[in-house]
Amino acid sequence: DAKTTQPPSMDCAEGRAANLPCNHSTISGNEYVYWYRQIHSQGPQYIIHGLKNNETNEMASLIITEDRKSSTLILPHATLRDTAVYYCIARKNNAGNMLTFGGGTRLMVKP
Amino acid sequence: GAVVSQHPSWVICKSGTSVKIECRSLDFQATTMFWYRQFPKQSLMLMATSNEGSKATYEQGVEKDKFLINHASLTLSTLTVTSAHPEDSSFYICSARGSRETNEKLFFGSGTQLSVL
Repeated sequence: DAKTTQPPSMDCAEGRAANLPCNHSTISGNEYVYWYRQIHSQGPQYIIHGLKNNETNEMASLIITEDRKSSTLILPHATLRDTAVYYCIARKNNAGNMLTFGGGTRLMVKP
Repeated sequence: GAVVSQHPSWVICKSGTSVKIECRSLDFQATTMFWYRQFPKQSLMLMATSNEGSKATYEQGVEKDKFLINHASLTLSTLTVTSAHPEDSSFYICSARGSRETNEKLFFGSGTQLSVL
C-alpha cells in the first residue's frame, strides 16, 4: 500500500470546518483512500473512503485531487467530540488486506 | 455498520500469567480478523492476521508462541498473551472483515488495555 503523509497535529475551533490534508503521491490506480479516526482509548472508527470521486456521508466529506496524489477530509462543523487522531490510509480492496496505520493527525477541537 | 465486540476492555495481571482477549463479530461472519497493538502515543501496529479455521499469519518480530491466536469460528477470534511481562503492557485492538461484507471496510473492536505488573 502507498505511503501517506499527514501533519502531526491541527487545531480547529468548535463549529468551524476542519480540513485535514493527506498526501499520497505514490498511490496506485487500484488503491482507495480511507479515513479512520481514533478517539482516545478506543478502537478506530471508519469515516469515509473513496477512489477517484469526491465522497460525502453523514460524518464527513472527502475531496480527492484529480491526480489522486492528495486528499482532504472535511468535517463541516467540528464539535468537541471530534477531537481524535485521524488516519489517512491508502489501501487496495483485496481480500484479507489489512489497514496499515501511519502517524495520523491529532485534531484538537477547541471551544 | 457492523459491530465488533472486544472483551475485556481492560485487564491488570501479574507478570508470568496468561491473558486471553476475545473478539466477536456480532452481526456478521468474520472470515478474517486482524490483531493490532498500540503503545502510548504511537500508531497501531499489525501483529497478526487470522483466517477462520487456519493458522494465523504473524508479522515479523511478533512471537507466535507468545501471542496465541485462535479463530475457531466465524464469529470469534481470541488472542492469548502467554507468560505476560511488563513490556507486553499495551492497547490491543482487533479488526474484522466479514464474508458477506464487501472488502471495503474493516470494523474495529473497542480495544483492550493490558497492564502487566
